[in-house]
Order: sequence, then C-alpha cells, then structure tokens
Amino acid sequence: GAGVSQSPRYKVAKRGQDVALRCDPISGHVSLFWYQQALGQGPEFLTYFQNEAQLDKSGLPSDRFFAERPEGSVSTLKIQRTQQEDSAVYLCASSWTSGGATDTQYFGPGTRLTVL
Amino acid sequence: AQKVTQAQTEISVVEKEDVTLDCVYETRDTTYYLFWYKQPPSGELVFLIRRNSFDEQNEISGRYSWNFQKSTSSFNFTITASQVVDSAVYFCALSDYTGANSKLTFGKGITLSVRP
Repeated sequence: GAGVSQSPRYKVAKRGQDVALRCDPISGHVSLFWYQQALGQGPEFLTYFQNEAQLDKSGLPSDRFFAERPEGSVSTLKIQRTQQEDSAVYLCASSWTSGGATDTQYFGPGTRLTVL
Repeated sequence: AQKVTQAQTEISVVEKEDVTLDCVYETRDTTYYLFWYKQPPSGELVFLIRRNSFDEQNEISGRYSWNFQKSTSSFNFTITASQVVDSAVYFCALSDYTGANSKLTFGKGITLSVRP
C-alpha cells in the first residue's frame, strides 16, 4: 500500500517568507507526528496529532511554527517569517495508534527546507 | 528526560565484514519501546525493529541481529556479512509506552559505509 507522502520534497525560501509543508499519512492511521532534522543530527519531535486533535506541540521551536490536521488525515506544517535557522529536513510520520502494540511510526521522505 | 546516545559517529568496513552499532539509552520509565531506523541517501527513515522493555530476548532477522540488555541500558545492532547496500545512517530511538503520545527520542545516528 501507499506509504507516507510529503510535498514539496524541496523548498527554497527567502528569509521572511511563509512556507507550508504537506503530509499525507498512511490511510487509516490515527496518529501523526512532525519532526525536524538538522544536518548531521537525529530527528527531533515537533508536534503530535491524534486524529484532528493536536495533543502535543511542545517541540515547536517558536510561535512562528504552526501545524494543523483539520479532518484528521492530511496535515500541514506552516512556518511564518522563515529564518535561516529553520533550514532543515521536516519529516512526517504516522502510526495506527499511539502507545501500545500498534504504534510503530512510518516516515515519509521529508521536505528539505533551505532558507536563504 | 529521555536520552539516546550513539557514541560512534562514522564506521567504515569492507564488504562481508561484521559490524556492530552501539546504542545506550536513558529513561525513568519502567516500560518503553526501543527502535532502530535506517536512513539511506534518499532520506526516508526505514523502520527496522521495535522492542519493548519487558522482552529482553535477542532477535535475528536474516543478516541483522539485535542485543537488548536492560542491565546496561543498551540496544546494539549487528549486521553480519555486510553489503554495500547496507551503507546508510542508522538511528536508535526510544519512546515511552504509556500515554497517548509515543513521540520518539532519537540518537544522533551512525553513518555506516560499506566498501566493496
């Protein structure tokens, strides 16, 4: 079946621009996660949704970062007034549930954001 | 707070050699999950294995094997008879078992290069 998809795969933005990154999770997956991966580092948690509810946004680095999942399926990560330190790969992952035996997260290919 | 340490940063081996990737974790939780993911040059994180904290039985899957030792908080990964296709960055990750949010805490990753 289809895996997690993300678009665009690459995004170049000028400092100060707003960007929107899209994630299509595996069909039927309840849980959706966003991670940020800086160059040469491991992914770091940004935010988590269970269906349409955003249950944890503790990893969002500033109020310029905003995520939504209005219908409990596709999710969008928005970054306002981008800055150079926002340059990273943004990874989306989904799982059937969260916690317990079916919570293995499957990742998309990521969106590489470069802020000039 | 949870923490995953992958002390090795880069490993280079010749094809057919065995190689072990180390992972040490810290958590105050009594139940938790441990994971290994592979990130090839294409960038997508590929799930390899998940272990829960109350099952210390080692696991073998083809050329891959995992050694979980709770006493030393380690979850090491061995590739037997390595192949060029094994070249990738490998991440160890940890999540807690309870609650609605099974966000992952990743190590910094180990870059494995297998030379022909």
